[in-house]
Amino acid sequence: GAGVSQSPSNKVTEKGKDVELRCDPISGHTALYWYRQSLGQGLEFLIYFQGNSAPDKSGLPSDRFSAERTGGSVSTLTIQRTQQEDSAVYLCASTPDRVYGYTFGSGTRLTVV
Amino acid sequence: QKEVEQNSGPLSVPEGAIASLNCTYSDRGSQSFFWYRQYSGKSPELIMSIYSNGDKEDGRFTAQLNKASQYVSLLIRDSQPSDSATYLCAAANSGYSTLTFGKGTMLLVSP
Repeated sequence: GAGVSQSPSNKVTEKGKDVELRCDPISGHTALYWYRQSLGQGLEFLIYFQGNSAPDKSGLPSDRFSAERTGGSVSTLTIQRTQQEDSAVYLCASTPDRVYGYTFGSGTRLTVV
Repeated sequence: QKEVEQNSGPLSVPEGAIASLNCTYSDRGSQSFFWYRQYSGKSPELIMSIYSNGDKEDGRFTAQLNKASQYVSLLIRDSQPSDSATYLCAAANSGYSTLTFGKGTMLLVSP
């Protein structure tokens, strides 16, 4: 596609429910990243994919968070048993290879009520 | 812990002035640095990258890097109200795989 596509753009969920966030990177981009941004905070790294493998998932805040990437393309970030502190904008980015300046998607705003 | 520090601002400048945004980083192994602009409610967009000591110019933007001082800056000449945004500084880690972002400096350009 022309850009990084994320869905849904907004998600409101009840505390304790599971949510799935989707990222469709730019075609041909091998590296894919998930970050989150809380109100007034910087971008917090979550996980990095190179192809379908995740060499760095050190930023996942707890075992409630998991992510996968299939076919070297689409990635899904899953948050189980959501908590209010999970409320944030979840941003996905991709690059052709490693780091040459990310292209970000428009993000998913997650609100846990 | 690898950190990127920025003054949160806001930095207020009049239209037509030079805006100077600064950033320091802790990881001496970082080799690549990036400036992103983020409008309120939008995602960050890349505006400059710099890899070598010295200056790099692109239109009204100049990025400066001093690896000895672990210091990166962004100058915006002839600032416009449309430049009002939060500017994020980012450093690539030693393995070139991920970026560490600062919390950003808010820039306000008044007409």
